[in-house]
Amino acid sequence: EVQLVESGGGLVQPGGSLKLSCAASGFTVSGSAIHWVRQPSGKGLEWVGRIRSKANNYATGYAASVTGRFTISRDDSKNTAYLQMNSLKTEDTAVYYCTRPSHDSSVSTFDYWGQGTLVTVSS
Amino acid sequence: QSVLTQPPSVSGAPGQRVTISCTESSSNIGAAYDVHWYQQLPGTAPKVLIYGNTNRPSGVPDRFSGSKSGTSASLAITGLQAEDEADYYCQSYDSSLSGYVFGTGTKVTVL
Repeated sequence: EVQLVESGGGLVQPGGSLKLSCAASGFTVSGSAIHWVRQPSGKGLEWVGRIRSKANNYATGYAASVTGRFTISRDDSKNTAYLQMNSLKTEDTAVYYCTRPSHDSSVSTFDYWGQGTLVTVSS
Repeated sequence: QSVLTQPPSVSGAPGQRVTISCTESSSNIGAAYDVHWYQQLPGTAPKVLIYGNTNRPSGVPDRFSGSKSGTSASLAITGLQAEDEADYYCQSYDSSLSGYVFGTGTKVTVL
C-alpha cells in the first residue's frame, strides 16, 4: 500500500528556515516523482514544486512564489523526500502536502497524498 | 501566469445536477494539456475524481463526469447527494511556467 507521511512542520519566525520530510512506503521514491502542494487555511491548493525520478535525473522545478527560497531533495536510501524552506514569509503559512503522481510527466494526476503538515510563519 | 478560474460556490438540492466550470486565462494550457479534477472533503487531502478530462478512476461513482473544450473544462455531478458536499479543484499543466496549476476551487453545498 502506498503511503506518504509528512513531518517537520511547526512555528517559525519570518526570515527563518524549516525542513519538511516526506517518508514514503509501498513504492521507491527513486522510481517516482514527488511533488509538494500547499494550502493556506480556508484557501485553495497551490503547487509548490517537484523532484523528478532517477530516470529523469532528479530534475527539480518550482512555483515562481518559492523559487530561490525552497529546495526539494531526496534520500533514496531512506525512501524520503524533503522540502527545505528558507527566507520564510508570513504568506508561506499553510498545510504542506507531499504527493506522488500517477507518472513522471506533465499529464500526471496527483494520485497519492500525505496527511499534510502545518507550517506557521509568525513573529 | 496562467490562472484556472472556478466559481467560488455552487449549490443544489439532493438529486439535482450541478456543474462546475474551469476556465483558463491564457493560451498556455489550451487543448494541449489534460485537465483533472479533485474532491477535497473537510479536513482531508484531495482525491482524484476525474483524470484526463473525462476519465473516472475506479471507485468514483458515475454521477461524476468531466468534459473539456478548448480552454474550458467542466465537472458535472448528477443526482447530487449529501456526501458530495466538498471543495472541488481542477488542475492542469502550464507550459510557460513548466509547472502545475490548480483552479481557484469551488465549494459545493447540498441544500
